[in-house]
Amino acid sequence: NAGVTQTPKFRVLKTGQSMTLLCAQDMNHEYMYWYRQDPGMGLRLIHYSVGEGTTAKGEVPDGYNVSRLKKQNFLLGLESAAPSQTSVYFCASTQGAGDQETQYFGPGTRLLVL
Amino acid sequence: GQNIDQPTEMTATEGAIVQINCTYQTSGFNGLFWYQQHAGEAPTFLSYNVLDGLEEKGRFSSFLSRSKGYSYLLLKELQMKDSASYLCAPLDSNYQLIWGAGTKLIIKP
Repeated sequence: NAGVTQTPKFRVLKTGQSMTLLCAQDMNHEYMYWYRQDPGMGLRLIHYSVGEGTTAKGEVPDGYNVSRLKKQNFLLGLESAAPSQTSVYFCASTQGAGDQETQYFGPGTRLLVL
Repeated sequence: GQNIDQPTEMTATEGAIVQINCTYQTSGFNGLFWYQQHAGEAPTFLSYNVLDGLEEKGRFSSFLSRSKGYSYLLLKELQMKDSASYLCAPLDSNYQLIWGAGTKLIIKP
């Protein structure tokens, strides 16, 4: 089992460009999450999904869109990248939303927007 | 609002014991997680507490006091590989994790 994988691992964008980050999990988890992590700050939830075909906004959703067309994949899109979106993006998944449901993280995508 | 407070950085000596504190204020509470994150890597699960008291798991122990909004992570017999950031994350009433900024632990020989 690969667990949670993310593509790409690193990307440089120019302001205004668009891109899609892909997250895939092979654990048959229902819930998937996209976070961003910035220096000196905790992980901040961008969007999440409680199942195939459903998505919801997290704490910092502006400037991002997501899709969950297949249970195993969760895509994060940036339509028009801004320097403020320079960050490390982590995808995570968990079987459910109850207590004791550990989140499993992907290795992260490092994004630099110039 | 929701708030997590933990020290930014701590230093300890190899072989010693260190306690990392976390205080929290959340909308509802459904337990608290501790994660470890090595530099440049993803967070990995360490412990989960939902009831008051101490949970021990090898060299690591985690304590929770729900009435005080307080938790700590205790690391014994410190090893160089324990150098990492430790993230405190309570679970709120919507079962969303609220993440602290993390405590960077530096282990010196």
